[in-house]
Amino acid sequence: DAGVIQSPRHEVTEMGQEVTLRCKPISGHDYLFWYRQTMMRGLELLIYFNNNVPIDDSGMPEDRFSAKMPNASFSTLKIQPSEPRDSAVYFCASTSGAGPGSYNSPLHFGNGTRLTVT
Amino acid sequence: LAKTTQPISMDSYEGQEVNITCSHNNIATNDYITWYQQFPSQGPRFIIQGYKTKVTNEVASLFIPADRKSSTLSLPRVSLSDTAVYYCLVGPRGSSNTGKLIFGQGTTLQVKP
Repeated sequence: DAGVIQSPRHEVTEMGQEVTLRCKPISGHDYLFWYRQTMMRGLELLIYFNNNVPIDDSGMPEDRFSAKMPNASFSTLKIQPSEPRDSAVYFCASTSGAGPGSYNSPLHFGNGTRLTVT
Repeated sequence: LAKTTQPISMDSYEGQEVNITCSHNNIATNDYITWYQQFPSQGPRFIIQGYKTKVTNEVASLFIPADRKSSTLSLPRVSLSDTAVYYCLVGPRGSSNTGKLIFGQGTTLQVKP
C-alpha cells in the first residue's frame, strides 16, 4: 500500500497563474478529502467526495477554487487565478466507508503540497 | 459537534510518560474520540480511537472516564521522534461524518534529550 500520493510536493507560482494539485487516494477508499493548513487557521476542510461525487464543498474559500474527481483513483484541486493568500500546505486524505453505526475509518493523509504564491 | 480544548504546547524529556488531556464537555452520546499525530512536513496520522474506558495499541493508550467529558492520550516513554502536534477530534460515527470532524490547533509536544 503506497498510501495517499500527492503531487507536486512543492509548487511556487506567481499571482494570477493557474495551479493544479493532484491526489491519488488509497485503492478501495471511497471517500476523498481536500484540506488546507496554515499557521493562522490550522487544518481546514475544503471539500470531500464520496464515490467520486462532491458531497460538501462549503469549505471552498471562493469561486477561484475548484475540485474534481473524474475516477476513483484521481482527484485535482485547481486554483485559478492564484493569489498570495492561497499560500498554504494542501493535504489530500482518503478513507473507506464503514457505514453508519460503525466507528469512523481513520483518515489517511498524503504528505501534502506546499504552495507558495508570490 | 463537540468543541474540544487541549493545551497548546507541552514539553517533556526522553523516556518520560506524556499525558495529553482533551476536554469535550458537550460530547454527544454517539460521539467517539480520535487522536491524530502530525510530524513536520507530513500529513496527520491516526493514532488511536475510543468510545469509553481504555483503549491501548502499540503506539499509545487512550483513557476515557465514565462521563466522557474528557480524554487523555498517554504516550509511554517518549523519544525525540515523538515530537509532533497531537490533535483530539470528537464526532459522530460513520465515515459520512468524517468530513465534519474538526482539527483544532492541537497540542505541540516537544521532547527534549
